[in-house]
Amino acid sequence: DSGVTQTPKHLITATGQRVTLRCSPRSGDLSVYWYQQSLDQGLQFLIQYYNGEERAKGNILERFSAQQFPDLHSELNLSSLELGDSALYFCASSSGGNTEAFFGQGTRLTVV
Amino acid sequence: DQQVKQNSPSLSVQEGRISILNCDYTNSMFDYFLWYKKYPAEGPTFLISISSIKDKNEDGRFTVFLNKSAKHLSLHIVPSQPGDSAVYFCAATPGAGSYQLTFGKGTKLSVIP
Repeated sequence: DSGVTQTPKHLITATGQRVTLRCSPRSGDLSVYWYQQSLDQGLQFLIQYYNGEERAKGNILERFSAQQFPDLHSELNLSSLELGDSALYFCASSSGGNTEAFFGQGTRLTVV
Repeated sequence: DQQVKQNSPSLSVQEGRISILNCDYTNSMFDYFLWYKKYPAEGPTFLISISSIKDKNEDGRFTVFLNKSAKHLSLHIVPSQPGDSAVYFCAATPGAGSYQLTFGKGTKLSVIP
């Protein structure tokens, strides 16, 4: 158990809908990272938050957004969903500095 | 444009033998490299890392070698055990402490008893 909790584990939704994925980082970790793993692209970095503020953006679509709340949990919002958004979405957290990041078990999103 | 490449999608090795997983990268800005292991239905788990100032890092049965001039790294597992069967991801980042990782597509290792 990495200490990073992601909910829900599975999500099935229709095209055009909006979903919210939730991540609770390890206790004390200030940084949260979101990654998308699709079949053809592998694991891709989406966005990073550090202590409530956006720190870095990767290949995140404009239809996607994220935030980190004062209690440090984070949410990834995916809207106007398309079939191609079906993927595993991972959250990772780290305390910063030269420490490794720990990954959650992921949320498997299926868009039908 | 894939900046981190793992050209072997799969690898089968006999238990007790050495497993060698390879990874190539193209971005000269990458300064810190990591290997993650992933079992089905679980998130990636950190295995071992190496900074560009080193050419080798060892942790028990796992050793990572870095050849900066060739932009190549490899993970050696000796001896291989059936529990090592998993997908192994190579990842790179411009600096230690930054987890904006660029991942390869993974190599599925099967260790045969």
